[in-house]
Amino acid sequence: NAGVTQTPKFRILKIGQSMTLQCAQDMNHNYMYWYRQDPGMGLKLIYYSVGAGITDKGEVPNGYNVSRSTTEDFPLRLELAAPSQTSVYFCASSYQGGNARGSGNTIYFGEGSWLTVV
Amino acid sequence: GESVGLHLPTLSVQEGDNSIINCAYSNSASDYFIWYKQESGKGPQFIIDIRSNMDKRQGQRVTVLLNKTVKHLSLQIAATQPGDSAVYFCAENILWAGKLIFGQGTELSVKP
Repeated sequence: NAGVTQTPKFRILKIGQSMTLQCAQDMNHNYMYWYRQDPGMGLKLIYYSVGAGITDKGEVPNGYNVSRSTTEDFPLRLELAAPSQTSVYFCASSYQGGNARGSGNTIYFGEGSWLTVV
Repeated sequence: GESVGLHLPTLSVQEGDNSIINCAYSNSASDYFIWYKQESGKGPQFIIDIRSNMDKRQGQRVTVLLNKTVKHLSLQIAATQPGDSAVYFCAENILWAGKLIFGQGTELSVKP
């Protein structure tokens, strides 16, 4: 099993461009998350989803959009890239409320996507 | 508001010594806590977790202690090894809300 897979690994965007970070998990997890991590800082929650068709804002949602049309996929969209969105983005997933791969409510992270906006 | 913070941003220890990384949290409704290890260029890796109805939980070379009275969490690493060098984050979760809130992180440096 691949776990949580993110693409692309690295990307450079110009100000005002748009792009989508892809995230997929094969663990049948119902919860999925997007975090951003600025240098030397902890992770900040952007958006999360408790199941297909349901999304909610996290701590820093401005400038981003998400969708959850399937259990497996949770893409993150940047519509008008700004330098403040230069960061490392992590997708994660977990299972809340039953048995699945992993221990209880453990949240599993992808390897990260490095985004630079210039 | 909700916040999780770490007392020490950096910690340097000698190989073979024990390490203790501390964390304070402010949301008394949090019922689940996790420690993550993050190596350079990688995503956070689960180390150990503890629920709020427990005071202590042990894993392989790691122990997490939870003191709900003072809202304090600690991670103890026994016989620290060079491979333990990384940034360690504590995170708190309110299980019904499904949101994991991270602290700033502590960088652990192990000297050979």
